Amino acid sequence: NAGVTQTPKFRVLKTGQSMTLLCAQDMNHEYMYWYRQDPGMGLRLIHYSVGEGTTAKGEVPDGYNVSRLKKQNFLLGLESAAPSQTSVYFCAGSFRGQPQHFGDGTRLSIL
Amino acid sequence: AQRVTQPEKLLSVFKGAPVELKCNYSYSGSPELFWYVQYSRQRLQLLLRHISRESIKGFTADLNKGETSFHLKKPFAQEEDSAMYYCALLRAGGTSYGKLTFGQGTILTVHP
Repeated sequence: NAGVTQTPKFRVLKTGQSMTLLCAQDMNHEYMYWYRQDPGMGLRLIHYSVGEGTTAKGEVPDGYNVSRLKKQNFLLGLESAAPSQTSVYFCAGSFRGQPQHFGDGTRLSIL
Repeated sequence: AQRVTQPEKLLSVFKGAPVELKCNYSYSGSPELFWYVQYSRQRLQLLLRHISRESIKGFTADLNKGETSFHLKKPFAQEEDSAMYYCALLRAGGTSYGKLTFGQGTILTVHP
């Protein structure tokens, strides 16, 4: 039982490149979330999903897209990376009414 | 809209001293409050949930609805408590979909 697993753990991109971050969970979580963590800003919600095939915008969705084609996977995409998207990205999952379980994070640097 | 404020970015104490990490919130309904801890370069872990009324690793937190606070306390800090601490709020109701609102975080350093 791995819990919530994020891939990759580190990545360096050039401005304008695209990439996809993968979040996989084996806890059968109904809800899944993507956050970014920046110094002094706490964690801010980018997008979330309340079930397979559904996604919704969070607090800071611009520049990101997500998909949840399978219940266990939640993908975060950057179509054209910008330096302002340099951050640590965390994925989390939860059941209704229960606390969120987090992945280890992905450190993304955009040059 | 709800908001969570952690007024201290940094907090330093010596081993064995009491520690209090402050958390204030604004929300018109009945929220659920959490404390999450993040040890150096690790994932966030749930530390406390106010409805559980537990003491985890010697930490306690009491929800004070009058003062809209949920401060985290420990009577005798240990070096291994050094970490980033986040206070988080969950809105009541089904439409919240479990979304948490986080404070800015407090970095606690416990000196030997």
